[in-house]
Amino acid sequence: QVQLQQSGPGLVKPSQTLSLTCAISGDSVSSNSAAWNWIRQSPSRGLEWLGRTYYRSKWYNDYAVSVKSRITINPDTSKNQFSLQLNSVTPEDTAVYYCARVLQLELRLGCWFDPWGQGTLVTVSS
Amino acid sequence: QSALTQPASVSGSPGQSITISCTGTSSDVGGYNYVSWYQQHPGKAPKLMIYDVSNRPSGVSNRFSGSKSGNTASLTISGLQAEDEADYYCSSYTSSSANYVFGTGTKVTVL
Repeated sequence: QVQLQQSGPGLVKPSQTLSLTCAISGDSVSSNSAAWNWIRQSPSRGLEWLGRTYYRSKWYNDYAVSVKSRITINPDTSKNQFSLQLNSVTPEDTAVYYCARVLQLELRLGCWFDPWGQGTLVTVSS
Repeated sequence: QSALTQPASVSGSPGQSITISCTGTSSDVGGYNYVSWYQQHPGKAPKLMIYDVSNRPSGVSNRFSGSKSGNTASLTISGLQAEDEADYYCSSYTSSSANYVFGTGTKVTVL
């Protein structure tokens, strides 16, 4: 059974960098059969997909337009985990952040998220 | 991209059936059979209930079913139980940004 365990600080100052990690058990970040995603949830923006990383002979990343200039998602194969970095945060980035897996189907990436990490509330405040 | 539209709340008595709608456009819900549904209890992570419009993952009760007509997808919960009280979100692939869009969320109350 695949499980995702998130870690990282719950408080970040404005203009600084938000950093979270998602540790994977029961699957591999380097798997050719999965993609690893970050999603956030806030009262003002609802659920919002942020981006993903996946390996298909080489590493790929896709990011949401809304955060593309500020986001980096990196795999860490030595620890079987992946990370989220969001630069230049503002109070608008206050949200619960989730990591989640998407499976690779025969001809395309699936369009559902399962499983999800437990979530991390990140508050942007001085 | 704009969120998919869901009713803010739906309620029903134990044993009844309820349906939650999820309205999008031809660029997302209407254009692809890639709608999924999630159940979220307070303080918990979302849980996958339906994928690709009408498929149920292993372990999800057959009281949950999904369908789609045009630009609107629906989640039906039959034989409503107290444990079904939660927030429900739909999601779809969207070609407008080549990624995923979520619904606004529906609070289900069991009377």
